[in-house]
Amino acid sequence: QKEVEQDPGPLSVPEGAIVSLNCTYSNSAFQYFMWYRQYSRKGPELLMYTYSSGNKEDGRFTAQVDKSSKYISLFIRDSQPSDSATYLCAMNQPGGKLIFGQGTELSVKP
Amino acid sequence: GAVVSQHPSWVICKSGTSVKIECRSLDFQATTMFWYRQFPKQSLMLMATSNEGSKATYEQGVEKDKFLINHASLTLSTLTVTSAHPEDSSFYICSARDRQTGGRTDTQYFGPGTRLTVL
Repeated sequence: QKEVEQDPGPLSVPEGAIVSLNCTYSNSAFQYFMWYRQYSRKGPELLMYTYSSGNKEDGRFTAQVDKSSKYISLFIRDSQPSDSATYLCAMNQPGGKLIFGQGTELSVKP
Repeated sequence: GAVVSQHPSWVICKSGTSVKIECRSLDFQATTMFWYRQFPKQSLMLMATSNEGSKATYEQGVEKDKFLINHASLTLSTLTVTSAHPEDSSFYICSARDRQTGGRTDTQYFGPGTRLTVL
């Protein structure tokens, strides 16, 4: 079993839809949870960062962490064609290596 | 967010030559930087961890004599691919760690990546 599992998609939605991206993990020692967005042929861009459990909102993006269920989510409201990219969840223990999900390829159709 | 730059963004070289890739953290000091390799449609594969002023730690299966890493300052790490061959062609990405010991921050900011093509 991989430490972090993420549905690879691809996921295709119409413009304006709400997108839900999810990851599960097995290591209860993870404390830092991140979502990165990666456009083709570019480096990952940090979108959301959460320490421990809870929700965090930034504009159209909301990150949720449920440590009891070992489950994290990223919600994108009012999705735009410019949101089309691969989304990577990532997490780590204090001082530990970043462990990535496989990435979910999202396409938002106009 | 913090900015990490990488240079060059794209390089083509002949088989047998060496290529150096630079990674800089522009607005924060990074005691730790990481080097990743990414193949098309795949997630990032960690190659090595680079700590300022000490030897890099390589992941299993990564040849340290092939991929030389130097982290001479708190804002610069370099990766040199020595005697490059076509199978080394890939997308190389660096990241810089932003961490507060014992604190609420421990994340990585990534550079834009370097596409290496070995002919």
